[in-house]
Amino acid sequence: QVHLVESGGGVVQPGRSLRLSCAASGFTFSRYGMHWVRQAPGKGLEWVAVIASDGKDKHLKDSVKDRYTISRDNSKNTLFLQMNSLRAEDTAMYYCVKDTAVGPVNYYFESWGQGTLVTVSS
Amino acid sequence: EIVLTQSPVTLSLSPGKRATLSCRASQTVSRYLAWYQQKPGQAPRLLIYDASNRATGIPARFSGSGSGTDFTLTISSLEPEDFAVYYCQQRSSWPLITFGQGTRLEIK
Repeated sequence: QVHLVESGGGVVQPGRSLRLSCAASGFTFSRYGMHWVRQAPGKGLEWVAVIASDGKDKHLKDSVKDRYTISRDNSKNTLFLQMNSLRAEDTAMYYCVKDTAVGPVNYYFESWGQGTLVTVSS
Repeated sequence: EIVLTQSPVTLSLSPGKRATLSCRASQTVSRYLAWYQQKPGQAPRLLIYDASNRATGIPARFSGSGSGTDFTLTISSLEPEDFAVYYCQQRSSWPLITFGQGTRLEIK
């Protein structure tokens, strides 16, 4: 059974940094693309970033691409999101999400963690 | 950016009734559309992908249809656990992935 556990969220001041982690289990992590999807309080879903199974191909949403970095450690079955220069509008629940397809990223979101809340406030 | 517009914003129905939710894209997405269900305090769950394929473990009362710019999620007979928020999502313009704003399905 797929299990995704996010950590690293919290309250942070504008301009500061946070690093989110996602521990994966129950599947062969190194064979799947992985995503971060966020949801501001009371709002809809917003895709943030994707990383290919081998970590070589990455894409981020335009509004975060100069501030966020996505990475993964396949030896430790862990996904990361480094978030710098945080802004109030980055406040959201951040979900770690497994892609549906083995190999090339399919951009459908099959399995979700429970999320970690990031609050950017002074 | 492809904009997905869901309608209605809120749908009020009774258990046992048929629910029809709509998602319209600002430009064609072929059949590259998915539907998700989200209950309060929970992560979303994938229901349908590629417009009409049910994800693993999804009951047969959920069905998807459409292509191009107009899509429908149908729940044939509502169960109490189906009342939730539903989102559509397109992957046609990857990596510029977008979601609809959601439809809230509430008990009448």
